[in-house]
Amino acid sequence: DAKTTQPPSMDCAEGRAANLPCNHSTISGNEYVYWYRQIHSQGPQYIIHGLKNNETNEMASLIITEDRKSSTLILPHATLRDTAVYYCIVRTINSGYALNFGKGTSLLVTP
Amino acid sequence: GAGVSQTPSNKVTEKGKYVELRCDPISGHTALYWYRQSLGQGPEFLIYFQGTGAADDSGLPNDRFFAVRPEGSVSTLKIQRTERGDSAVYLCASRGEGLSGELFFGEGSRLTVL
Repeated sequence: DAKTTQPPSMDCAEGRAANLPCNHSTISGNEYVYWYRQIHSQGPQYIIHGLKNNETNEMASLIITEDRKSSTLILPHATLRDTAVYYCIVRTINSGYALNFGKGTSLLVTP
Repeated sequence: GAGVSQTPSNKVTEKGKYVELRCDPISGHTALYWYRQSLGQGPEFLIYFQGTGAADDSGLPNDRFFAVRPEGSVSTLKIQRTERGDSAVYLCASRGEGLSGELFFGEGSRLTVL
């Protein structure tokens, strides 16, 4: 699986959009971009995934650049409960291979 | 239950003891994963089961670690002769056959080796 690079930490004011970047310059054509988050003392939680088109669900939006070498997870109106570590992972869909999490981005949402 | 269940939630043991951690995946999920997470780090892959067989155990750190899934549902992670460095949160996840490839994680078992 391709490796990813994320900033170690970010801050965001409550109510504002949180934009979390991820670089995955070695991504291959059949690899998807997945985002998970981990709230303190809980297991990781799936947020969203995409291949090349932008995706949106009830939790977030995923913007993938045209060359697919980077992506941005957008939380449109961050709340205090969005404070967590966010992991960007690339992998082939339904591959048996495990997700390789890295260290992620620690997002702090402040009042 | 509706989600992945892990027991015990907390385990304190002494160096050299044997430990078993249990994972009960979401019903019907054929894929099951074990991860280990140390403080300040992301989850680290240990082993992956497809049904009853270990499809990939490349993440197990040494032969003190072993996992089984005899009937293709519940899995047990076994750690022999525990060491202080084994202290971590052990996470289990399961995956169904849906198109998203999403992994569903349990809350983890926190192991402390004194």
